[in-house]
Order: sequence, then C-alpha cells, then structure tokens
Amino acid sequence: GAVVSQHPSWVICKSGTSVKIECRSLDFQATTMFWYRQFPKQSLMLMATSNEGSKATYEQGVEKDKFLINHASLTLSTLTVTSAHPEDSSFYICSAGEGAANEKLFFGSGTQLSVL
Amino acid sequence: GESVGLHLPTLSVQEGDNSIINCAYSNSASDYFIWYKQESGKGPQFIIDIRSNMDKRQGQRVTVLLNKTVKHLSLQIAATQPGDSAVYFCAENRASGGSYIPTFGRGTSLIVHP
Repeated sequence: GAVVSQHPSWVICKSGTSVKIECRSLDFQATTMFWYRQFPKQSLMLMATSNEGSKATYEQGVEKDKFLINHASLTLSTLTVTSAHPEDSSFYICSAGEGAANEKLFFGSGTQLSVL
Repeated sequence: GESVGLHLPTLSVQEGDNSIINCAYSNSASDYFIWYKQESGKGPQFIIDIRSNMDKRQGQRVTVLLNKTVKHLSLQIAATQPGDSAVYFCAENRASGGSYIPTFGRGTSLIVHP
C-alpha cells in the first residue's frame, strides 16, 4: 500500500517555542491531507483538512493561528504548532488520501509532542 | 455519534477465539466505511473497507458487517492472535465538496491473552 512518512516521531520543546511537523506521501500524490490530534486512550480528532495550493479547512474549535498548515506541494503538508504550551502536548497524526475522492487513507506514524 | 473524550471500551479474548468489535455511526448519508488498527505509539493501519451497497465483506481472517438500518458496523476477527492486540477504530466517510471527510468512531481496545 501507499506510504505516508511523518517527522519527527517525537519532539520535546519549551513553552513558547514553535514546532513544525512534516507529512509526506512517498509514492503517490495527495491533493488532500488530514491532520488529527489524539489524546491517550481516545479517538482521533480531525483538526483540519489540508488542500494543496489553497487554504486549509479547520474543524470547529481549532485555532487557525495556533495550528498553521501549509500544503505547498502534492507530496508535502506541514503542521506548525505556534507558541506551544503544555496543553498542546498530544499525539499528532497526519493522513493522505488515495483515490479520486481520497477515501482510502494512509496514515503517518504520528508525532508525540511534549511541551515543557 | 462520536464519544470523543471518553475512555476506550476494552474487549479481552483468549488466543484462538473469534473477536467481534462493534461500532455505531452517526450519519445516515455516509456511504463508505473503513476499519483501522492502531498499535501503541503508531498511526492507524487500514484493515478492511466496505461500501454502503454491501452488507458483508471478507478479508484474510477479518469480516466486516454493515447494517444500514440501525447504522451499525462490526469487525469480526477469526482465530485471534496476540499480534491482533491493538485499538480498532471504525471510520465513516461523508462526502464534502467532491471528496470524502473521514470521522472516526470511539475505538475499542482489543486485548488478546495467550
């Protein structure tokens, strides 16, 4: 199946710094990628839909200025957590859709963010 | 609908038993469903999918059943193995602007005892 690469796998940062997470589709082009947040023992919460060449679509309650998304090419989307605080600590996962309606999703391995 | 914020239900089985994991979905307009397996610290992996024009689909050791009348989905795992221990999520796909937006269910933690 298709491969989605997500980096870094984990990051520890100080409060107030910004952290960038990359999501790459390695063997297919993805016009749409999705970013999720997951707390321990809970489900994946969709944060935003990243569209290549246009603005991301954010879910209700997700701060656009806090979680900056850039999808500059058909194989790369980035999520930047700006001015991170301890409450932003979480597991962040990206996915990319394959197929005409990107119905079949392939997921990155996730990024564990810990903000001190 | 989703129960995000609540802890995951757990299903414990013995190795070799069959497992059945259930999922209720919320949107009657959803027409494509996927089961994912997520191991600790990793991203979800695709297991099997089913479209709304079917009520059953089989894969290797797994079967998905869809009951649109009651908006219920189930995943059956035959001869469960310790390597099947993971969290299982169902995802319903809703159409939005020509593409699908997935919504994940609550998830079930499967524990397989040797």
